[in-house]
Amino acid sequence: EPEVTQTPSHQVTQMGQEVILRCVPISNHLYFYWYRQILGQKVEFLVSFYNNEISEKSEIFDDQFSVERPDGSNFTLKIRSTKLEDSAMYFCASSGDGPSGQYFGPGTRLTVT
Amino acid sequence: SQKIEQNSEALNIQEGKTATLTCNYTNYSPAYLQWYRQDPGRGPVFLLLIRENEKEKRKERLKVTFDTTLKQSLFHITASQPADSATYLCALNQAGTALIFGKGTTLSVSS
Repeated sequence: EPEVTQTPSHQVTQMGQEVILRCVPISNHLYFYWYRQILGQKVEFLVSFYNNEISEKSEIFDDQFSVERPDGSNFTLKIRSTKLEDSAMYFCASSGDGPSGQYFGPGTRLTVT
Repeated sequence: SQKIEQNSEALNIQEGKTATLTCNYTNYSPAYLQWYRQDPGRGPVFLLLIRENEKEKRKERLKVTFDTTLKQSLFHITASQPADSATYLCALNQAGTALIFGKGTTLSVSS
Protein backbone atom coordinates (compact mmCIF):
# COMPACT_ATOMS: atom_id res chain seq x y z
CA GLU A 1 0.00 0.00 0.00
CA PRO A 2 1.44 3.42 -0.94
CA GLU A 3 2.54 5.60 1.95
CA VAL A 4 3.97 9.03 2.69
CA THR A 5 7.62 8.97 3.68
CA GLN A 6 9.61 11.62 5.53
CA THR A 7 13.30 12.20 6.16
CA PRO A 8 15.05 12.57 8.46
CA SER A 9 13.16 10.92 11.30
CA HIS A 10 14.98 13.09 13.83
CA GLN A 11 16.85 16.36 13.32
CA VAL A 12 18.77 18.20 16.01
CA THR A 13 19.86 21.74 15.18
CA GLN A 14 21.11 24.83 16.90
CA MET A 15 19.00 27.95 17.22
CA GLY A 16 19.41 30.20 14.19
CA GLN A 17 20.33 27.39 11.81
CA GLU A 18 18.39 26.48 8.69
CA VAL A 19 16.71 23.09 8.39
CA ILE A 20 15.04 21.35 5.48
CA LEU A 21 12.52 18.62 6.14
CA ARG A 22 11.74 16.29 3.28
CA CYS A 23 8.65 14.38 2.29
CA VAL A 24 7.64 12.08 -0.53
CA PRO A 25 3.83 12.18 -0.81
CA ILE A 26 1.73 9.41 -2.32
CA SER A 27 2.38 9.54 -6.04
CA ASN A 28 -1.08 10.20 -7.47
CA HIS A 29 -2.12 12.69 -4.79
CA LEU A 30 -2.71 16.32 -5.68
CA TYR A 31 -2.82 18.13 -2.34
CA PHE A 32 0.13 18.35 0.02
CA TYR A 33 0.28 19.62 3.57
CA TRP A 34 2.63 20.29 6.45
CA TYR A 35 1.42 20.09 10.04
CA ARG A 36 3.27 20.24 13.32
CA GLN A 37 2.61 18.88 16.79
CA ILE A 38 4.35 20.26 19.84
CA LEU A 39 4.74 17.59 22.50
CA GLY A 40 1.48 17.05 24.35
CA GLN A 41 -0.48 19.43 22.14
CA LYS A 42 -2.81 19.08 19.19
CA VAL A 43 -1.83 18.74 15.57
CA GLU A 44 -1.64 22.22 13.97
CA PHE A 45 -1.82 23.12 10.30
CA LEU A 46 1.08 25.01 8.72
CA VAL A 47 0.60 25.12 4.95
CA SER A 48 -1.09 23.42 2.03
CA PHE A 49 0.18 23.18 -1.55
CA TYR A 50 -1.77 22.50 -4.71
CA ASN A 51 -0.95 22.93 -8.38
CA ASN A 52 2.58 24.05 -7.56
CA GLU A 53 1.63 26.87 -5.27
CA ILE A 54 0.61 27.55 -1.69
CA SER A 55 -3.16 27.30 -1.41
CA GLU A 56 -3.53 28.04 2.29
CA LYS A 57 -1.30 28.89 5.23
CA SER A 58 -1.73 29.46 8.93
CA GLU A 59 -0.47 32.24 11.18
CA ILE A 60 2.37 29.93 12.24
CA PHE A 61 3.71 29.84 8.68
CA ASP A 62 5.55 33.16 8.73
CA ASP A 63 8.46 34.43 6.63
CA GLN A 64 10.83 31.98 8.29
CA PHE A 65 9.04 29.08 6.60
CA SER A 66 8.94 28.10 2.95
CA VAL A 67 7.83 25.08 0.95
CA GLU A 68 8.94 23.69 -2.37
CA ARG A 69 8.15 20.85 -4.69
CA PRO A 70 11.50 20.72 -6.46
CA ASP A 71 10.63 17.72 -8.64
CA GLY A 72 7.73 15.39 -9.30
CA SER A 73 8.07 13.49 -6.06
CA ASN A 74 9.62 15.51 -3.23
CA PHE A 75 7.93 18.15 -1.07
CA THR A 76 10.10 20.13 1.34
CA LEU A 77 9.62 22.44 4.30
CA LYS A 78 12.42 24.87 5.06
CA ILE A 79 12.81 26.80 8.28
CA ARG A 80 15.31 29.58 7.66
CA SER A 81 16.41 30.49 11.16
CA THR A 82 15.17 28.03 13.75
CA LYS A 83 13.95 29.09 17.19
CA LEU A 84 13.59 27.04 20.35
CA GLU A 85 9.80 27.12 19.94
CA ASP A 86 10.09 25.40 16.54
CA SER A 87 10.88 22.18 18.39
CA ALA A 88 8.06 19.83 17.45
CA MET A 89 7.07 16.83 15.38
CA TYR A 90 6.52 17.88 11.76
CA PHE A 91 4.14 15.82 9.66
CA CYS A 92 3.72 15.85 5.92
CA ALA A 93 0.38 14.71 4.52
CA SER A 94 -1.16 14.26 1.11
CA SER A 95 -4.63 13.69 -0.27
CA GLY A 96 -6.27 12.92 -3.56
CA ASP A 97 -9.01 14.68 -5.45
CA GLY A 98 -12.56 14.53 -4.10
CA PRO A 99 -13.64 13.80 -0.54
CA SER A 100 -10.89 11.75 1.04
CA GLY A 101 -8.83 11.57 4.16
CA GLN A 102 -5.33 12.91 4.40
CA TYR A 103 -2.48 10.44 4.58
CA PHE A 104 0.25 11.36 7.01
CA GLY A 105 3.91 10.47 7.06
CA PRO A 106 5.69 9.16 10.16
CA GLY A 107 6.98 12.63 11.02
CA THR A 108 10.29 14.36 11.61
CA ARG A 109 11.09 15.18 15.21
CA LEU A 110 12.86 18.55 15.18
CA THR A 111 14.82 19.51 18.27
CA VAL A 112 16.22 23.05 18.43
CA THR A 113 18.86 23.61 21.08
CA SER B 1 -12.50 31.20 15.60
CA GLN B 2 -13.29 27.54 15.05
CA LYS B 3 -13.20 25.32 18.08
CA ILE B 4 -13.29 21.54 18.37
CA GLU B 5 -13.82 19.83 21.69
CA GLN B 6 -13.35 16.15 22.33
CA ASN B 7 -15.14 15.71 25.58
CA SER B 8 -12.74 13.45 27.40
CA GLU B 9 -9.00 13.42 27.40
CA ALA B 10 -9.02 9.77 28.46
CA LEU B 11 -11.45 6.89 28.26
CA ASN B 12 -10.89 3.51 29.89
CA ILE B 13 -13.01 0.52 28.94
CA GLN B 14 -12.92 -3.25 29.15
CA GLU B 15 -12.23 -5.48 26.20
CA GLY B 16 -15.36 -6.43 24.32
CA LYS B 17 -17.29 -3.28 25.25
CA THR B 18 -18.21 -0.45 22.90
CA ALA B 19 -16.14 2.71 23.15
CA THR B 20 -17.98 5.95 22.35
CA LEU B 21 -16.00 9.14 21.75
CA THR B 22 -17.57 12.56 21.29
CA CYS B 23 -16.52 15.50 19.15
CA ASN B 24 -18.26 18.88 19.36
CA TYR B 25 -17.45 21.92 17.29
CA THR B 26 -18.39 25.59 17.13
CA ASN B 27 -18.05 28.52 14.73
CA TYR B 28 -17.63 26.30 11.70
CA SER B 29 -19.70 24.55 9.06
CA PRO B 30 -17.49 21.75 7.78
CA ALA B 31 -18.08 19.87 4.60
CA TYR B 32 -16.32 16.84 6.11
CA LEU B 33 -15.70 15.45 9.53
CA GLN B 34 -12.91 12.92 9.88
CA TRP B 35 -11.55 10.62 12.55
CA TYR B 36 -7.91 9.67 12.86
CA ARG B 37 -5.97 7.33 15.10
CA GLN B 38 -2.60 8.40 16.50
CA ASP B 39 -0.19 6.14 18.32
CA PRO B 40 2.60 7.68 20.47
CA GLY B 41 5.35 9.22 18.35
CA ARG B 42 3.57 8.38 15.08
CA GLY B 43 1.60 10.29 12.48
CA PRO B 44 -2.22 10.34 12.46
CA VAL B 45 -3.81 7.49 10.52
CA PHE B 46 -7.02 8.19 8.62
CA LEU B 47 -9.96 6.06 9.72
CA LEU B 48 -13.25 7.47 8.44
CA LEU B 49 -14.69 10.51 6.69
CA ILE B 50 -18.33 11.56 6.86
CA ARG B 51 -19.88 14.32 4.77
CA GLU B 52 -22.17 17.04 6.07
CA ASN B 53 -25.18 15.47 4.34
CA GLU B 54 -24.54 12.01 5.80
CA LYS B 55 -25.88 10.89 9.15
CA GLU B 56 -23.88 7.74 9.72
CA LYS B 57 -20.98 5.80 8.28
CA ARG B 58 -19.58 2.37 9.15
CA LYS B 59 -16.34 0.54 8.50
CA GLU B 60 -15.85 -2.86 10.08
CA ARG B 61 -16.09 -2.28 13.88
CA LEU B 62 -16.16 1.50 13.51
CA LYS B 63 -19.22 3.72 13.28
CA VAL B 64 -19.39 7.49 12.98
CA THR B 65 -22.45 9.69 13.29
CA PHE B 66 -22.64 13.35 12.30
CA ASP B 67 -25.30 15.76 13.51
CA THR B 68 -24.84 19.18 11.90
CA THR B 69 -27.68 20.66 13.96
CA LEU B 70 -26.05 19.69 17.25
CA LYS B 71 -22.59 20.25 15.72
CA GLN B 72 -21.52 16.89 17.06
CA SER B 73 -20.03 13.62 15.94
CA LEU B 74 -19.97 10.35 17.83
CA PHE B 75 -17.31 7.72 17.10
CA HIS B 76 -17.99 4.16 18.18
CA ILE B 77 -15.65 1.17 18.32
CA THR B 78 -17.59 -2.02 18.92
CA ALA B 79 -16.12 -5.19 20.44
CA SER B 80 -13.08 -3.20 21.50
CA GLN B 81 -9.69 -4.88 21.79
CA PRO B 82 -6.47 -3.90 23.59
CA ALA B 83 -5.00 -3.18 20.13
CA ASP B 84 -7.55 -0.35 19.79
CA SER B 85 -5.75 1.55 22.57
CA ALA B 86 -4.56 4.82 21.04
CA THR B 87 -5.44 8.50 20.80
CA TYR B 88 -8.36 9.26 18.50
CA LEU B 89 -8.50 12.64 16.81
CA CYS B 90 -11.53 14.40 15.39
CA ALA B 91 -10.83 16.77 12.48
CA LEU B 92 -12.90 19.05 10.27
CA ASN B 93 -12.34 20.59 6.87
CA GLN B 94 -13.73 21.78 3.57
CA ALA B 95 -12.78 20.07 0.30
CA GLY B 96 -9.03 20.18 -0.27
CA THR B 97 -8.36 22.38 2.74
CA ALA B 98 -6.44 22.07 5.95
CA LEU B 99 -7.68 19.86 8.73
CA ILE B 100 -8.60 21.50 12.03
CA PHE B 101 -7.89 18.95 14.75
CA GLY B 102 -9.25 18.44 18.22
CA LYS B 103 -6.89 17.56 21.07
CA GLY B 104 -7.91 13.92 20.96
CA THR B 105 -9.24 11.31 23.34
CA THR B 106 -6.85 8.64 24.59
CA LEU B 107 -8.60 5.29 24.70
CA SER B 108 -7.29 2.47 26.87
CA VAL B 109 -8.83 -0.97 26.44
CA SER B 110 -7.99 -3.43 29.19
CA SER B 111 -8.18 -7.19 28.85
